[in-house]
Amino acid sequence: QSALTQPASVSGSPGQSITISCTGTSSDVGGYNYVSWYQQHPGKAPKLMIYDVSNRPSGVSNRFSGSKSGNTASLTISGLQAEDEADYYCSSYTSSSYVFGTGTKVTVL
Amino acid sequence: EVQLVESGGVVVQPGGSLRLSCAASGFTFDDYAMHWVRQAPGKGLEWVSLISWDGGSTYYADSVKGRFTISRDNSKNSLYLQMNSLRAEDTALYYCAKGPNYYGSGNWFDPWGQGTLVTVSS
Repeated sequence: QSALTQPASVSGSPGQSITISCTGTSSDVGGYNYVSWYQQHPGKAPKLMIYDVSNRPSGVSNRFSGSKSGNTASLTISGLQAEDEADYYCSSYTSSSYVFGTGTKVTVL
Repeated sequence: EVQLVESGGVVVQPGGSLRLSCAASGFTFDDYAMHWVRQAPGKGLEWVSLISWDGGSTYYADSVKGRFTISRDNSKNSLYLQMNSLRAEDTALYYCAKGPNYYGSGNWFDPWGQGTLVTVSS
């Protein structure tokens, strides 16, 4: 149950697009289409942003999109806005358990 | 509105025990599996445990297996986490979150409660 690997930080200017990677193994990310992404603002609970690799829950901006290739999943935020500054975590199902990513701090310059 | 409210977090000595609770409302509680997830201060998220809709199946992270027990009372729309043999490294904010539905669909965490803080310290 090793954590999925994410970059510690990613930054971008308002209006730009950024991509956060989430690398696992064939036992988790690569083995199932059950990758989800969470946004967490300081002092707040995580919020679901993407589920099943690329699906957006109702109410989540279409500026957020997800994809997967092999053992690496990605979250792209387009048209970056100040309110997107937060920590982001990926998660994957893995044979009767779940694993989270190490987390990425997104900074809007 | 779906709501999850955790309680029970306190300061406890190493080796001690504690039971956390999560009160659910706004959805048919016994249609869904439920998770516990924790976050140590300033650290990332760590999945802790999952219980099936009927309590018949339980799953644990290796880090808590044999020490923590997840349970639920569907008549009270409540989820629990019994924590024994607590260690300093168990210090964290503990969240409950709604999991997969009765059919096993929904391998994500949504929504989350606000969390309850457990501090293990002498």
